[in-house]
Amino acid sequence: EDQVTQSPEALRLQEGESSSLNCSYTVSGLRGLFWYRQDPGKGPEFLFTLYSAGEEKEKERLKATLTKKESFLHITAPKPEDSATYLCAVLSGGSYIPTFGRGTSLIVHP
Amino acid sequence: DGGITQSPKYLFRKEGQNVTLSCEQNLNHDAMYWYRQDPGQGLRLIYYSQIVNDFQKGDIAEGYSVSREKKESFPLTVTSAQKNPTAFYLCASRRTEQETQYFGPGTRLLVL
Repeated sequence: EDQVTQSPEALRLQEGESSSLNCSYTVSGLRGLFWYRQDPGKGPEFLFTLYSAGEEKEKERLKATLTKKESFLHITAPKPEDSATYLCAVLSGGSYIPTFGRGTSLIVHP
Repeated sequence: DGGITQSPKYLFRKEGQNVTLSCEQNLNHDAMYWYRQDPGQGLRLIYYSQIVNDFQKGDIAEGYSVSREKKESFPLTVTSAQKNPTAFYLCASRRTEQETQYFGPGTRLLVL
């Protein structure tokens, strides 16, 4: 059974204070690892898909990286508007259904 | 604009009442999904459909029903058998040849 664990559950940063969110996973044959951003009361917004260890993707202040056991979402010089819950999910084998983690709630203080 | 729409944004259900949540997409995606999201929990799959006129139960299908008569539409009915329906409901879709799911804006269901 696929498992996804996100840490920390909550993270408070000062504006400009860079940090990383972790997504540890256990799957049998990774087909894809996904990062989403979710604002309160809204649906998850797609950020990145990573397919193989060593892959990296960037978007503005966000950079996602992938190893064989975990993924990191690095946030460089965050701003208050980066405050949200960040969800990680994995898709494995021949499944059509991703497994989601419980998310990391990020608050960036001005 | 292409995307996924869900309606209504808020829905109130009286005890014993069936209610239907709408999900429509104009992305030409084949697969569609319904998730339930509760505070502090991950997304839980209710039903999914890979093609028109076919759908499968997810992890928490009891008390819910769906139909897939059109590619663009995947409505979810919350029946009176669902004793704890208060939650945020999310619809998602995916192109068959891609792995990434895209989500709608969600419907919050509250019980009166």
